[in-house]
Amino acid sequence: EAGVAQSPRYKIIEKRQSVAFWCNPISGHATLYWYQQILGQGPKLLIQFQNNGVVDDSQLPKDRFSAERLKGVDSTLKIQPAKLEDSAVYLCASSRRSGTSTIDEQFFGPGTRLTVL
Amino acid sequence: AQSVAQPEDQVNVAEGNPLTVKCTYSVSGNPYLFWYVQYPNRGLQFLLKYITGDNLVKGSYGFEAEFNKSQTSFHLKKPSALVSDSALYFCAVRDDSGYSTLTFGKGTMLLVSP
Repeated sequence: EAGVAQSPRYKIIEKRQSVAFWCNPISGHATLYWYQQILGQGPKLLIQFQNNGVVDDSQLPKDRFSAERLKGVDSTLKIQPAKLEDSAVYLCASSRRSGTSTIDEQFFGPGTRLTVL
Repeated sequence: AQSVAQPEDQVNVAEGNPLTVKCTYSVSGNPYLFWYVQYPNRGLQFLLKYITGDNLVKGSYGFEAEFNKSQTSFHLKKPSALVSDSALYFCAVRDDSGYSTLTFGKGTMLLVSP
């Protein structure tokens, strides 16, 4: 089966500019995740969708970050305006089952490396 | 709050020797534990998970991990390391409640020398 697709793979912007990342999960996967991975750290969850509803966005900086998952499939993560500290790899992941006990493993995309100058 | 500690930034091992990458965790309730591997410029790949049952879990590429509840540990092991195992390894934990999310450790770089 095709894996999780993300684009672009790399993005360089200046601070205060806007940027958007796109993710297409594995077909049939109900749960979609966006993570931020800063160099030297493990991934940190930003937002989790179950179908097209938000399950957890407690660590999403909502003053500048937004995400949507239209029709429960593709998702877009946006940063507006970007700050220097947003430089990181943004990973999208998906997992199969919906429900209150989603313990399936997550499948990760290759990530988008964002550099904010 | 749940957390994961990977006490070693880097583990060095010679090819053919056994390897261990350490992980300890803290979680309320029963833990669900995972190991992922990350190769350069690629996303994380799932290796194995512990949900319940046998404390020794076998996963991909010959890796296994041992769950120890009393020591709250979930160390990753392999009997004989390969140069191609060199990568960044992440341990992750979640609890068994509802929509609990994964918390990752900071990662351990494994370097296998020929």
